[in-house]
Amino acid sequence: EVQLVESGGGLVKPGGSLRLSCAASGFTFSNAWMSWVRQAPGKGLEWVDRIKSKTDGGTTDYAAPVKGRFTISRDDSKNTLYLQMNSLKTEDTAVYYCTTNMKGGRNAFDIWGQGTMVTVSS
Amino acid sequence: QSALTQPASVSGSPGQSITISCTGTSSDVGGYNLVSWYQQHPGKAPKLMIYEGSKRPSGLSNRFSGSKSGNTASLTISGLQAEDEADYYCCSYAGRNTLIFGGGTKLTVL
Repeated sequence: EVQLVESGGGLVKPGGSLRLSCAASGFTFSNAWMSWVRQAPGKGLEWVDRIKSKTDGGTTDYAAPVKGRFTISRDDSKNTLYLQMNSLKTEDTAVYYCTTNMKGGRNAFDIWGQGTMVTVSS
Repeated sequence: QSALTQPASVSGSPGQSITISCTGTSSDVGGYNLVSWYQQHPGKAPKLMIYEGSKRPSGLSNRFSGSKSGNTASLTISGLQAEDEADYYCCSYAGRNTLIFGGGTKLTVL
């Protein structure tokens, strides 16, 4: 069964750091382009970042609001995706979803995790 | 970069057809045939409904269809059913390896 399972969410103070993990199973993780998408409480979806497969260069891209503060990375030996979040702001409060594509083209997401909640508050 | 523009809400009766629009610019929706659509029920993860403008994932009902004209993409749901009631989001490739979502549309089945 294809599955993405996020972990690492929680409560953190403004200016603090947090690292999210996403464990993948049921597909060839090393070939996948992986993304994080977030959703603030009661709000819409927001693309956060993406990391390509190593065979496609392993490059990373970020949305403007998180560039310079967030770092996406992957460990293909562990089938795990990471999101290191630094200098957190209250507006980063959201459910963070790990997502990828298997059959929906590189710029669409057909596999989603259940999400992990990040709350930035003093 | 601002979110793509979607109507906040649409509604329809069972059996009817509805269309949700998604308006962007020539730098995103209009510049690429890379719009996707997602359905999200409360408390659940999004589900891919349409990708690359008009393609349906395997196994998805053909009641869902996508199209584009200029800088506006559209999702049409025909034969509306109660279980279609959900939030719908469009998403477009926006160049420079970035993606942008729409603000979301709440569909109510009357």
